[in-house]
Amino acid sequence: GAVVSQHPSRVICKSGTSVKIECRSLDFQATTMFWYRQFPKQSLMLMATSNEGSKATYEQGVEKDKFLINHASLTLSTLTVTSAHPEDSSFYICSARDQRGGVHRAFFGQGTRLTVV
Amino acid sequence: QKEVEQDPGPLSVPEGAIVSLNCTYSNSAFQYFMWYRQYSRKGPELLMYTYSSGNKEDGRFTAQVDKSSKYISLFIRDSQPSDSATYLCAPRDQGGKLIFGQGTELSVKP
Repeated sequence: GAVVSQHPSRVICKSGTSVKIECRSLDFQATTMFWYRQFPKQSLMLMATSNEGSKATYEQGVEKDKFLINHASLTLSTLTVTSAHPEDSSFYICSARDQRGGVHRAFFGQGTRLTVV
Repeated sequence: QKEVEQDPGPLSVPEGAIVSLNCTYSNSAFQYFMWYRQYSRKGPELLMYTYSSGNKEDGRFTAQVDKSSKYISLFIRDSQPSDSATYLCAPRDQGGKLIFGQGTELSVKP
């Protein structure tokens, strides 16, 4: 299957600092990428949808100034958690949709475990 | 009411058992119904999906959708220890968004 690479896989940062997470589609072009957050024993909650070259669309309740999303190319999207606080500690997962379409052609990265201390 | 409800388990079964995983949903506009498997601390991987009502079989896995009752099922036959994971149902809305259930944690004991 197609590969989506997410980096880093885990990161620990101090409260008040910013963290950038990268999501790359390695063997296909992704016009749309999704960012999810998952708390322990909870489901994946969609944070935002990003389309290449345009502003991201954020879900209700997600602070766009805190979670900055950039989708500058068809193979790369980044999520920056600004001024991180302990409550932002979570598992962040990206998903990339192959521009060739198809319901099944949305692939997930391996996730990034963020711990804010 | 959540759009998608799924019993979180955990569900523990002996090797070789038939496993039934289920979800209910509230949005009658959902057309595609996905099942994902997620191993601990990993991203989800697509197992299979169905369109509208009906059954779909893939090896030991069968996905079933009953739109009249808004009920989604995944059956695993001859379960193996390697099937131990969290299983997430995820109907897809008309805008292409996946609405995930909470996930059911399955443990298959040798």
